[in-house]
Amino acid sequence: QKEVEQDPGPLSVPEGAIVSLNCTYSNSAFQYFMWYRQYSRKGPELLMYTYSSGNKEDGRFTAQVDKSSKYISLFIRDSQPSDSATYLCAFSGGSYIPTFGRGTSLIVHP
Amino acid sequence: KAGVTQTPRYLIKTRGQQVTLSCSPISGHRSVSWYQQTPGQGLQFLFEYFSETQRNKGNFPGRFSGRQFSNSRSEMNVSTLELGDSALYLCASSLMGTSGMDTQYFGPGTRLTVL
Repeated sequence: QKEVEQDPGPLSVPEGAIVSLNCTYSNSAFQYFMWYRQYSRKGPELLMYTYSSGNKEDGRFTAQVDKSSKYISLFIRDSQPSDSATYLCAFSGGSYIPTFGRGTSLIVHP
Repeated sequence: KAGVTQTPRYLIKTRGQQVTLSCSPISGHRSVSWYQQTPGQGLQFLFEYFSETQRNKGNFPGRFSGRQFSNSRSEMNVSTLELGDSALYLCASSLMGTSGMDTQYFGPGTRLTVL
C-alpha cells in the first residue's frame, strides 16, 4: 500500500461548480496536513495547512481532515478558470519531513 | 518583498557530469529546503538546511548534497549525473524550517535535463 494515494485526474468541471479533491494516507504518524496548488511551470503554493481533524475554511477553500479514516479533502466553492492547476496533498509527522501526493490536475472550463 | 529565486532556470548536462544549483531565500528566512519533482515519482523531499546546518534529509543517494551559506543562500550539488536525475528541482524557504511549513514559499524551480 502506498503511503499517500491521490487520483491524478484530470478532473474537468464547469465554472461555478464545487470541486472536491481527495487523498488517503496510511501512515498514522502524520500529524500535519497540507494542500498546495501548482500552476504549470511554477513552484507549488501552500493553500491550506492544518494539524487536526475537522474543517478549516479560507475564502472559497475548505480543508477537511478525518484522521480516523486517514482521509483528507479540499473543497473549492464557486470554481473559476483561474483555479485550473495541479493540487497536491502533503503530510508530515514528528520529523517534519513532508510526503506529497502525486497531484490531481483540475480543469475549470468557462 | 522579493520571492525565492533559483538559478539557473534551465540546465542541460550529460551523464557523468556534475551540476550545482543555487537558491536565494526570501529575506529573513533562515531555512532552505530542496525538492525533486518528476512525473514518475512526484514531489520528493531532498534535504533542509537551517542556519548553515543540514537538519533533515530525505531518501536520496549521497550523490545529492547541499550547503547553506551565512547569508542563508543555498546550493545543491549532484555529482555523476544519471538520466534519472532529469527533473524539476525546487527550493523552498521559510522562517522556521519544515517544522513551520505554514510559512514555506517555493521558488520557480530549475529544470535539469540529463542527456
